[in-house]
Amino acid sequence: DAGVTQSPTHLIKTRGQHVTLRCSPISGHKSVSWYQQVLGQGPQFIFQYYEKEERGRGNFPDRFSARQFPNYSSELNVNALLLGDSALYLCASSDPRWGNYGYTFGSGTRLTVV
Amino acid sequence: AQTVTQSQPEMSVQEAETVTLSCTYDTSESDYYLFWYKQPPSRQMILVIRQEAYKQQNATENRFSVNFQKAAKSFSLKISDSQLGDAAMYFCAYRPLTSGTYKYIFGTGTRLKVLA
Repeated sequence: DAGVTQSPTHLIKTRGQHVTLRCSPISGHKSVSWYQQVLGQGPQFIFQYYEKEERGRGNFPDRFSARQFPNYSSELNVNALLLGDSALYLCASSDPRWGNYGYTFGSGTRLTVV
Repeated sequence: AQTVTQSQPEMSVQEAETVTLSCTYDTSESDYYLFWYKQPPSRQMILVIRQEAYKQQNATENRFSVNFQKAAKSFSLKISDSQLGDAAMYFCAYRPLTSGTYKYIFGTGTRLKVLA
């Protein structure tokens, strides 16, 4: 029973570089959301996608973008990385146990910008 | 603005005893969901319990229960018979049901330590 899978688990990038993070939701589930969790804080909403359409966007700069593919997997892209982008990036999927109102999260990608 | 506040950065409990984690929220919405998530060192956020705002009955999931006070905008989590595996960060989260709103708003978390 595959849950939400994210890759890579860890990543180190240099300021100014670009990064792509990947997520596969629970099999058959069409909704994917992305959150940023800075150390010591709760997750902050970045994007939600449903059937390849952007349904919501948080208060993040245009350097952050995402897309969803026909198989419902998703990519989060961040351009021109800043030190402040260092965080745990979490992907969430709707979960059959909780219907449309309860996410299951992946284990995240830890991004370090140096 | 919609906000979630967890005023206890850290809590400790003896194994087998009961602990309550506090959460308050601010919203002008009448329909919403509230959640408690657990985040162990493995980093994966695990949904512990969910409460629908229109339900007066408090949610219960095994050893976990909530005290939902809608008028006071309070949503506390009670963990009974605490186990070592309960040690983790706990986040309270709010999700409005307003059409077109899909984001969850999280608090800053409470670190729970379970003492053997």
